[in-house]
Amino acid sequence: QKEVEQDPGPLSVPEGAIVSLNCTYSNSAFQYFMWYRQYSRKGPELLMYTYSSGNKEDGRFTAQVDKSSKYISLFIRDSQPSDSATYLCAMDSGGSNYKLTFGKGTLLTVNP
Amino acid sequence: ETGVTQSPTHLIKTRGQQVTLRCSSQSGHNTVSWYQQALGQGPQFIFQYYREEENGRGNFPPRFSGLQFPNYSSELNVNALELDDSALYLCASSRIAAYEQYFGPGTRLTVT
Repeated sequence: QKEVEQDPGPLSVPEGAIVSLNCTYSNSAFQYFMWYRQYSRKGPELLMYTYSSGNKEDGRFTAQVDKSSKYISLFIRDSQPSDSATYLCAMDSGGSNYKLTFGKGTLLTVNP
Repeated sequence: ETGVTQSPTHLIKTRGQQVTLRCSSQSGHNTVSWYQQALGQGPQFIFQYYREEENGRGNFPPRFSGLQFPNYSSELNVNALELDDSALYLCASSRIAAYEQYFGPGTRLTVT
């Protein structure tokens, strides 16, 4: 079993839709959770960062972490064509080795 | 604030050759991590450098090596290139004890 599982999609939605992206994980030591957005042939861009369980909101983006279920989500409200990209979840267990473990990424297309 | 930069953008090498990739970290960051991203996959952690020393390593063979310089820039060296080394190589910088990592645009390496 991979440490981080993420449905690769592809996911296609109309403009204005609410998008839900999810990851599950098996390593209970993970404490830090991140979402990155990656446009084609570019480096990942940090979108959201949360520590432990709970919700965090930033504009149209909301990140949720449920450590009891080992499940994290990213919601995008009022999705725009410019949101079309691959979304990667990433996790870190803390300690002195700041190594991110990534999911495979979900390819999202928002159609005008 | 200058972001993470990487050079070269693209590189084509022959199996068995050696390659050096370069990274300049974001201003104010003292830690550099390298990741390998194969097509359709999430980034895989190679290693991290802090204070010019390796500070953790992923599941990569010793022919993957690195350096960090006093100005926090870094190099990734790969010897005896194999076809499977074809990937996007990403450099990420951060402050030590900070879990958010900021990625550069990557170097796309093709091994023929």
